Amino acid sequence: AQSVAQPEDQVNVAEGNPLTVKCTYSVSGNPYLFWYVQYPNRGLQFLLKYITGDNLVKGSYGFEAEFNKSQTSFHLKKPSALVSDSALYFCAVRDSKGRGSTLGRLYFGRGTQLTVWP
Amino acid sequence: DVKVTQSSRYLVKRTGEKVFLECVQDMDHENMFWYRQDPGLGLRLIYFSYDVKMKEKGDIPEGYSVSREKKERFSLILESASTNQTSMYLCASSFLLSGRGWEQFFGPGTRLTVL
Repeated sequence: AQSVAQPEDQVNVAEGNPLTVKCTYSVSGNPYLFWYVQYPNRGLQFLLKYITGDNLVKGSYGFEAEFNKSQTSFHLKKPSALVSDSALYFCAVRDSKGRGSTLGRLYFGRGTQLTVWP
Repeated sequence: DVKVTQSSRYLVKRTGEKVFLECVQDMDHENMFWYRQDPGLGLRLIYFSYDVKMKEKGDIPEGYSVSREKKERFSLILESASTNQTSMYLCASSFLLSGRGWEQFFGPGTRLTVL
C-alpha cells in the first residue's frame, strides 16, 4: 500500500538559513512525488513534483526537492528561508502501478508546520 | 490558471441538517476529490470521482455521499450533519491521464461548523 511519512510535525528555522522538510514514502512501483504548501485558511498550492529524470527538482518560490530512491525520500529544501515561507507543507505520493478508477489518487502525509523566525 | 471554486468559505449548520458543499473546476479535469482536514490528522480522502456519475469511496466515506452530474461539478452531501463533521473541507481536481500531469489543484476550502 502507498504511504507517506513526514517525521517532523514542526520545523523551526531562522530567516536566511537553509531549510529542509523531510518526507519518506512507500509504494510498490515507481513513485510519483509531490509537495504542496498551505497558508492559513487557504487551500493547498502545488509546489513541485518528481515523475522521472533528474533527482533534483526545482519548483515555485525558490523551493527544490531531492529524490533519493535508495532512501525512499523526497525532502523539500530551500537555500535561504524567508519569514513568508512559514506555512504547512504536505508531501504526497502516487504509485505508478495504480490503474483503473484509482488513477490520479494521491496519498498525503500529515503535514509539517514550518516556522521561519526573523 | 486552473481554478477550483467552492460554494462557501464558512458555513454554520445545526445537528441533523442536510448540508451541501459544492465544488466547480474550470480545467476540464476528469478527476475530482473531496477531503477533510483536521489538526494532526492531515488530509483524509472522503470520496473521489473519475467521470460523470462515477464515484469511489475514499478512506472515510461514512456519513457522506457525493454527486457528479456534470464534469465540472462535484458535490459533497452530509445527509444528517453531526458535530464530529465539524472540519475544513477541501475539494481538488486533476487530469486522469499520465501525460497531462497528476498534480491536484485545490479549492480554497470550506470551514464547516456543526452546532
